[in-house]
Amino acid sequence: KQEVTQIPAALSVPEGENLVLNCSFTDSAIYNLQWFRQDPGKGLTSLLLIQSSQREQTSGRLNASLDKSSGRSTLYIAASQPGDSATYLCAVETSGSRLTFGEGTQLTVNP
Amino acid sequence: GAGVSQTPSNKVTEKGKYVELRCDPISGHTALYWYRQSLGQGPEFLIYFQGTGAADDSGLPNDRFFAVRPEGSVSTLKIQRTERGDSAVYLCASRVDMNTEAFFGQGTRLTVV
Repeated sequence: KQEVTQIPAALSVPEGENLVLNCSFTDSAIYNLQWFRQDPGKGLTSLLLIQSSQREQTSGRLNASLDKSSGRSTLYIAASQPGDSATYLCAVETSGSRLTFGEGTQLTVNP
Repeated sequence: GAGVSQTPSNKVTEKGKYVELRCDPISGHTALYWYRQSLGQGPEFLIYFQGTGAADDSGLPNDRFFAVRPEGSVSTLKIQRTERGDSAVYLCASRVDMNTEAFFGQGTRLTVV
């Protein structure tokens, strides 16, 4: 059974800092990994999708890497802003098209 | 609309009642998912549709939960004899096909009192 773990559970940083969020998964037989953002009381917003054959994806200040063999992904956020405050979730797709989620990292960027 | 739409956004019901939650996926998306999210937790898989058929319903917690997608577009999640433990946010997602980006709705917050 696939298990996804996100570390840390919560993170508080001052504005402008670069930061890294971590995601690990137990079964390396994945099709892809997707990072999402969730604001309080809202649904999930897709940030980046990395296919299993890719090593990284970039979108603006966000960069996600994938090391499938070691079961790890990182989400790097450059020059953080207060508007980046949210919960960040990673999810992996395994056979059967099911997405398995971690419990998220709650990020607070302080002005 | 351009995104996944879920109605209602909030639902309060009494213990033992029946509820229906609706999901309108993005047009043309053949894959549709239902997830349940409790406070402080990640979304938990319930059921996956490919077209009209439930390809994987192994996440449904018990036989009080049922979902349909009769025409391969709109889906309804049905919960019978609701219990207080069913209180959660129910999320719907759709995507073009497997191994593509998934898009989520805003969720339905269900409260059973």
